[in-house]
Amino acid sequence: AQKVTQAQTEISVVEKEDVTLDCVYETRDTTYYLFWYKQPPSGELVFLIRRNSFDEQNEISGRYSWNFQKSTSSFNFTITASQVVDSAVYFCALSDPNNNAGNMLTFGGGTRLMVKP
Amino acid sequence: DAGVTQSPTHLIKTRGQQVTLRCSPISGHKSVSWYQQVLGQGPQFIFQYYEKEERGRGNFPDRFSARQFPNYSSELNVNALLLGDSALYLCASSSEPPHSGRLEQYFGPGTRLTVT
Repeated sequence: AQKVTQAQTEISVVEKEDVTLDCVYETRDTTYYLFWYKQPPSGELVFLIRRNSFDEQNEISGRYSWNFQKSTSSFNFTITASQVVDSAVYFCALSDPNNNAGNMLTFGGGTRLMVKP
Repeated sequence: DAGVTQSPTHLIKTRGQQVTLRCSPISGHKSVSWYQQVLGQGPQFIFQYYEKEERGRGNFPDRFSARQFPNYSSELNVNALLLGDSALYLCASSSEPPHSGRLEQYFGPGTRLTVT
């Protein structure tokens, strides 16, 4: 069975601080995809990144960066120089194309990030 | 192009009633998935439909059902509502077929259902 754990339920930082959101996953499959989504107060899930299990290169996009480590089954997300607009709930998710339930995403419980001015 | 749209945005129902939620995918997307997000938790997969056929089902009771229409829009029906069905119901569309895994999924704003 697949499982995604986000141990940090809530993080509070002051603007311009760097912050890392942790994500640990479990799956039996060798082929899978990992995702991060942002959910602002409006409720809509905003796609941030997708990573397949064969690509362990870290990725940077502006102030966002992601660290994928298969050895520890982790896919952590770092925001550099955080801003108030980064305040949201962030979800890590896993998909397994061999899952009989089709194209389902298994989400973690989310981490609420609050960035104070 | 318009994104995924859902209606209604908010809904209040009484225990035992039935509810229908609607979703219109992005133009050209043939796959629609439904997720339930209880307050304070991550979304949980309910159904996936592709080309009007059910292609995946999560661990939800038979009170939950869905269908997809020829124009690829979808409805989620929940019968005999319970207090625990109160949640944000999210619809996601994708151009990817089932089991592709790559999941270029785009989520709608959701329907917030409150059961009293």
